[in-house]
Amino acid sequence: KAGVTQTPRYLIKTRGQQVTLSCSPISGHRSVSWYQQTPGQGLQFLFEYFSETQRNKGNFPGRFSGRQFSNSRSEMNVSTLELGDSALYLCASSASTSIVDTQYFGPGTRLTVL
Amino acid sequence: GDSVTQMEGPVTLSEEAFLTINCTYTATGYPSLFWYVQYPGEGLQLLLKATKADDKGSNKGFEATYRKETTSFHLEKGSVQVSDSAVYFCALILRMGSNYKLTFGKGTLLTVNP
Repeated sequence: KAGVTQTPRYLIKTRGQQVTLSCSPISGHRSVSWYQQTPGQGLQFLFEYFSETQRNKGNFPGRFSGRQFSNSRSEMNVSTLELGDSALYLCASSASTSIVDTQYFGPGTRLTVL
Repeated sequence: GDSVTQMEGPVTLSEEAFLTINCTYTATGYPSLFWYVQYPGEGLQLLLKATKADDKGSNKGFEATYRKETTSFHLEKGSVQVSDSAVYFCALILRMGSNYKLTFGKGTLLTVNP
């Protein structure tokens, strides 16, 4: 079974631009979560989608948004990029309706904002 | 607020040494506790978990026991290998009605030398 895939793996943008990251979950998984990982703040939860609906959300500004499609693939969008948005963005999928169950993480998208 | 505190790294050990990575938490409710591992160049993987007090999670020779009285979930391994070199994250999930809050520690870098 293929794992969680994220595209692109690396991205360079400039301040003020917007960016869209993509995540394809493991086949059959309906839950997709997004995380931001930085050296300073560590790993922080962005949001989770389940069956095309945002089910949970972390403490990030409205510039960060996401969506999930009927095939469970998910996209995350960041508008008006800031230097502090440079990070590794991780996506995770789960087969379960319960977040307590195992999440499988993708390799991440490394975003650099110049 | 809810938080997870891990011992600061980096931790450097020789092969076959005993490993302890301390993790304590603060939570307003009754969380589930997790250890994740991130090997170089890879995404996070769930290492083990415990969902109630006195539960012991174990996997690949690693163990951690959910101690409610000391609000701790320390990770231990009796004999580490070079292949255990990675970053280890302690995390908690706190359910709040139909929603949940996911909090990670900052991570502890472990290097095991031959």
